[in-house]
Amino acid sequence: NAGVTQTPKFRILKIGQSMTLQCAQDMNHNYMYWYRQDPGMGLKLIYYSVGAGITDKGEVPNGYNVSRSTTEDFPLRLELAAPSQTSVYFCASSYSKGTGELFFGEGSRLTVL
Amino acid sequence: GENVEQHPSTLSVQEGDSAVIKCTYSDSASNYFPWYKQELGKGPQLIIDIRSNVGEKKDQRIAVTLNKTAKHFSLHITETQPEDSAVYFCAASSPGYSTLTFGKGTMLLVSP
Repeated sequence: NAGVTQTPKFRILKIGQSMTLQCAQDMNHNYMYWYRQDPGMGLKLIYYSVGAGITDKGEVPNGYNVSRSTTEDFPLRLELAAPSQTSVYFCASSYSKGTGELFFGEGSRLTVL
Repeated sequence: GENVEQHPSTLSVQEGDSAVIKCTYSDSASNYFPWYKQELGKGPQLIIDIRSNVGEKKDQRIAVTLNKTAKHFSLHITETQPEDSAVYFCAASSPGYSTLTFGKGTMLLVSP
């Protein structure tokens, strides 16, 4: 039972490069989320999706893009990476809207130099 | 939008002591309050949650209390053990929203 799978686990980017963080879940959840975690700052919501084809901005969406072509996958794209995007990124999914358990992946640590 | 404040940011206790982490929220319409535990190198995991129609909920050594009037809720861990050492996050959700707002986290260290 895989749950939420994120790849890659670690990545180093140069300023201005682009990349995609992959997220897949096998629980048939409609709701998926991307958070970033910075030391002492908790979890900040970047983007979320309530189902295939539907995405919306969270608290800190600038510099990121998402797509949701299938229920299972919710990739996060970083365009023109900046040092401020150095962070640990978590993907999560849930069965219900806002008031159900979030299932998190193990995170992707990104460093932009 | 919702704002969640969490205190303390770090908490050190001796094994066997109790630990209490407190959170306040701003939106009086919020009705769901989960607590997540994050172990080193892992993603957060739900440990307990409470809804606004309940004042207290217990699960073995952990309990959560909710005071809707004061808009605050707390996590209580009794008989702490070294494996309780982790970062704990509180969160709140308002009706109609699809997302949770998290506090900044509390690093709990339980010393043997």
